[in-house]
Amino acid sequence: KAGVTQTPRYLIKTRGQQVTLSCSPISGHRSVSWYQQTPGQGLQFLFEYFSETQRNKGNFPGRFSGRQFSNSRSEMNVSTLELGDSALYLCASSLGTANTEAFFGQGTRLTVV
Amino acid sequence: ILNVEQSPQSLHVQEGDSTNFTCSFPSSNFYALHWYRWETAKSPEALFVMTLNGDEKKKGRISATLNTKEGYSYLYIKGSQPEDSATYLCAFRNNDMRFGAGTRLTVKP
Repeated sequence: KAGVTQTPRYLIKTRGQQVTLSCSPISGHRSVSWYQQTPGQGLQFLFEYFSETQRNKGNFPGRFSGRQFSNSRSEMNVSTLELGDSALYLCASSLGTANTEAFFGQGTRLTVV
Repeated sequence: ILNVEQSPQSLHVQEGDSTNFTCSFPSSNFYALHWYRWETAKSPEALFVMTLNGDEKKKGRISATLNTKEGYSYLYIKGSQPEDSATYLCAFRNNDMRFGAGTRLTVKP
């Protein structure tokens, strides 16, 4: 069974640009969540998508957005990049209920210069 | 407690030692408490998902307990091995998944 796949693995962007990250969940998983990890911070919840609908959203500015497609693949977009957006972005897929474990991808390391 | 708090922040033990960490979380609107292990250069890996007050779960040398009324969970590792070296994260699940900052465990041979 293939795991969660995130692309690209590494990315360097310039301030003001926008970026799109992709996450392919485990087959059969309908929930995809996104997290940001910056140095010294724990995993910060960005948003969760379930069956193409955003189910929950964390405390991030509107520059951070996402979507989910009918095949459960999800994309995350960050517009007008700032230096502080440099981070590891992880996505996780699950069956979508609170008592089911999440399976994480290896992450996308975004560097904004 | 509004956030998820983990202690200690880091821990260094000798091979063979037993150890435990604490996760504190809000005691209201509880759905589930998750534990993950995150090894360097890998993805976080689920250890346990706990939902019931008094729950105890075990996987090999690792076990966890849950107290939802007072809002804490303990993770225990018996006879630590160098391969147990990792960051251990707990996450409180209600509408979202709120992670603690983790406990970084280093087991010396």
